Amino acid sequence: DAGVIQSPRHEVTEMGQEVTLRCKPISGHNSLFWYRQTMMRGLELLIYFNNNVPIDDSGMPEDRFSAKMPNASFSTLKIQPSEPRDSAVYFCASTTGTGTDTQYFGPGTRLTVL
Amino acid sequence: AQKITQTQPGMFVQEKEAVTLDCTYDTSDQSYGLFWYKQPSSGEMIFLIYQGSYDEQNATEGRYSLNFQKARKSANLVISASQLGDSAMYFCAMREWYNQGGKLIFGQGTELSVKP
Repeated sequence: DAGVIQSPRHEVTEMGQEVTLRCKPISGHNSLFWYRQTMMRGLELLIYFNNNVPIDDSGMPEDRFSAKMPNASFSTLKIQPSEPRDSAVYFCASTTGTGTDTQYFGPGTRLTVL
Repeated sequence: AQKITQTQPGMFVQEKEAVTLDCTYDTSDQSYGLFWYKQPSSGEMIFLIYQGSYDEQNATEGRYSLNFQKARKSANLVISASQLGDSAMYFCAMREWYNQGGKLIFGQGTELSVKP
């Protein structure tokens, strides 16, 4: 079975540009999470969705960040305009929302903003 | 306040020996789950093991076991018979079913190095 799929795996962009990160959750999973990992702050949740509906976006740093989940198999995280401090690894994770509710992570997108 | 504390930034272990990675947590929730993830140098996050707050037995998954001491609020990961491929960052995480919704709260991680 395919795991969580993220694209691109690496993104290098210049300050001020728009960046879009994409995620395809595991089929049948109904919860999707976006995390950011930095050396300074570790792993932190940005936003999560249940059944395509945003539930908690309190971790979204500011209005430059937005996330959508138009259907059960696709989500995007957009940064506009990007800044050097947005450089990080962005992970998407999904879970069934039942049982142990284990979150399975995608391979991550390493974003570098110059 | 720190919800998840991993006090060992780095650990060394000899190949084939056992190693314990510490994790303590703080919650007022009665119902919660504890998770361990492995992050090798390639960067992906790999789920290792889960312990529920109501589980009476310590969780085990192959060479991984979780030493769950509820009263002390600790959930240490034990890796038996260490292998070179175990060298990685290890993260302890908690989900509080009622207080925090679906999100995982992660510790800062422990970097494990296995020596040949």
